[in-house]
Amino acid sequence: GEDVEQSLFLSVREGDSSVINCTYTDSSSTYLYWYKQEPGAGLQLLTYIFSNMDMKQDQRLTVLLNKKDKHLSLRIADTQTGDSAIYFCAEIAGTASKLTFGTGTRLQVTL
Amino acid sequence: DTAVSQTPKYLVTQMGNDKSIKCEQNLGHDTMYWYKQDSKKFLKIMFSYNNKELIINETVPNRFSPKSPDKAHLNLHINSLELGDSAVYFCASSQYGGELFFGEGSRLTVL
Repeated sequence: GEDVEQSLFLSVREGDSSVINCTYTDSSSTYLYWYKQEPGAGLQLLTYIFSNMDMKQDQRLTVLLNKKDKHLSLRIADTQTGDSAIYFCAEIAGTASKLTFGTGTRLQVTL
Repeated sequence: DTAVSQTPKYLVTQMGNDKSIKCEQNLGHDTMYWYKQDSKKFLKIMFSYNNKELIINETVPNRFSPKSPDKAHLNLHINSLELGDSAVYFCASSQYGGELFFGEGSRLTVL
């Protein structure tokens, strides 16, 4: 079955790096995603990684995947106040195109 | 043009009423979804339709009935609303197995 866990809260200072972690249980995951949700808004896809990759970099974002430990992380370099939001990891596994979300991490950026 | 649009964005109603939320996508996708986000921000899939056929039906009370009149629309009808149905409901669409695009959400408040 699927179970995707994240820590609930992370506070960082502006300019520092943020690392948001996610663990999942379904070893048949094909794609893993990071979504951002700003207050009162919908879900915005930030980036994704295919399960046969171990790293993906996209501007300030770096995704690391440790498939053996079923651990996914999102690093945001030079974190800005506009990065304050809830970040969800999500996985697709199996053939039913079902996206299972993590519990969400609320990122607070302080000055 | 909005890719995935939901109406209404806000809905306040009394317990016991019946209500519908509509969703339309103009991306030409063949798969549509309903997700529920509760007060703790947990996101759970409810239903998924592929080419108007139901392919995912999670453990959802049968008071919830999705209807897909065509590939571009997936509506959610809820009978006999209960307090616990208060949540934000997100519609999404994808080409089967591909990236999900989310609507902005419909906030339902049951009094």
